[in-house]
Amino acid sequence: SQTIHQWPATLVQPVGSPLSLECTVEGTSNPNLYWYRQAAGRGLQLLFYSVGIGQISSEVPQNLSASRPQDRQFILSSKKLLLSDSGFYLCAWTRGGLSYTFGSGTRLTVV
Amino acid sequence: AQKVTQAQTEISVVEKEDVTLDCVYETRDTTYYLFWYKQPPSGELVFLIRRNSFDEQNEISGRYSWNFQKSTSSFNFTITASQVVDSAVYFCALVLYNNNDMRFGAGTRLTVKP
Repeated sequence: SQTIHQWPATLVQPVGSPLSLECTVEGTSNPNLYWYRQAAGRGLQLLFYSVGIGQISSEVPQNLSASRPQDRQFILSSKKLLLSDSGFYLCAWTRGGLSYTFGSGTRLTVV
Repeated sequence: AQKVTQAQTEISVVEKEDVTLDCVYETRDTTYYLFWYKQPPSGELVFLIRRNSFDEQNEISGRYSWNFQKSTSSFNFTITASQVVDSAVYFCALVLYNNNDMRFGAGTRLTVKP
């Protein structure tokens, strides 16, 4: 079956600390992968998407970066977190755009 | 470019009332998908419906119904006889056929009071 794993579920990090959120997909190959962020009380903003290994496209300039070291692994990183990086981060995948599978999300609080 | 607008930021109704959530989209493409998702307080996204741009037929699923009108670029969602469990944030989203990136509206927070 096709599943998506995203961890950790919650994270509290101090300003200036690094970040690494991981997302892995099972049961499919060559998926399109996405990172979304939802700031408190706001909508879902597309941050990064990837159509293949090593291929990353960024939607908005920001303090974050993404990498896809393996076909079914998508990592969201930051070298130094800002307060404004706080939010709810969702990973997702699709093949062909007919259906999307979302992870359970990571709630990041930068203090 | 693609854009989704959910003008209603928050809606509050009393249980058993009907409520309609509006969604207006913009795209120059003629082929696309439209989606609605529900986000309960736990945060996960729950898929509700997908509609193909070629299919303007309205759909009803229990207390939920959707009205898709290409002429007005709208894909509205109605909950009949709302219940407290319907309280959540609802997102409308658009995906183009030639670009699989899902773009969301800002969401509408629905509160159903007992």
